[in-house]
Amino acid sequence: QSVLTQPPSASGTPGQRVTISCSGSSSNIGSNYVYWYQQLPGTAPKLLIYRNNQRPSGVPDRFSGSKSGTSASLAISGLRSEDEADYYCASWDGSLSAVVFGGGTQLAVL
Amino acid sequence: EVQVVESGGGLVQPGGSLRLSCAASGFTFSSYAMTWVRQAPGKGLEWVSGISESGGSTFYADSVKGRFTISRDNSKNTLYLQMNSLRAEDTAVYYCARPRAGGGGYEDIDYWGQGTLVSVSS
Repeated sequence: QSVLTQPPSASGTPGQRVTISCSGSSSNIGSNYVYWYQQLPGTAPKLLIYRNNQRPSGVPDRFSGSKSGTSASLAISGLRSEDEADYYCASWDGSLSAVVFGGGTQLAVL
Repeated sequence: EVQVVESGGGLVQPGGSLRLSCAASGFTFSSYAMTWVRQAPGKGLEWVSGISESGGSTFYADSVKGRFTISRDNSKNTLYLQMNSLRAEDTAVYYCARPRAGGGGYEDIDYWGQGTLVSVSS
């Protein structure tokens, strides 16, 4: 099992707002930044959110990130069919001296 | 244009070895830490290893520590992953990846290769 915990699946209808959670501990999320990646089928992951809530250029502002304590969330508003993908959170774990990923959340747009 | 291109994947027997390479271009390779991330078939992402700009610092996931060695040749703009004592559970697509500019950590990745498949099976 992954060090960071995400729900395995999430869903929403077009136009809705969906949130995906990521739970960790004091050695990772609690003391380090959180990053979010989007992986479309058959492709390499893409950075969606860095340093908890920053968007790389080119990422729509429909995507937003937040962090509180040892948990983080990714919110997607105005859901679109092209948002159907797997989403992963990641952080540095100071106790492990390693990067840790969440198990991933498969988002379905119904 | 930033590019990282992996090679060296293939089929290997349990207990065997393989060396992956990652050719980088479009940026000053020696100014960036680099990292490897893998993904088993149908599974999630798993960080494997990271190396500092000079190669002086290396980090590994517990699952590969003592078996895998990350290295780099800045004169050749190439990253390596030497994999020994391979196990079935090492079967995965291995991605070479570059952290963001401006001191991004190994988890802060803005460029990924297309991946190379490593299959460990008898």
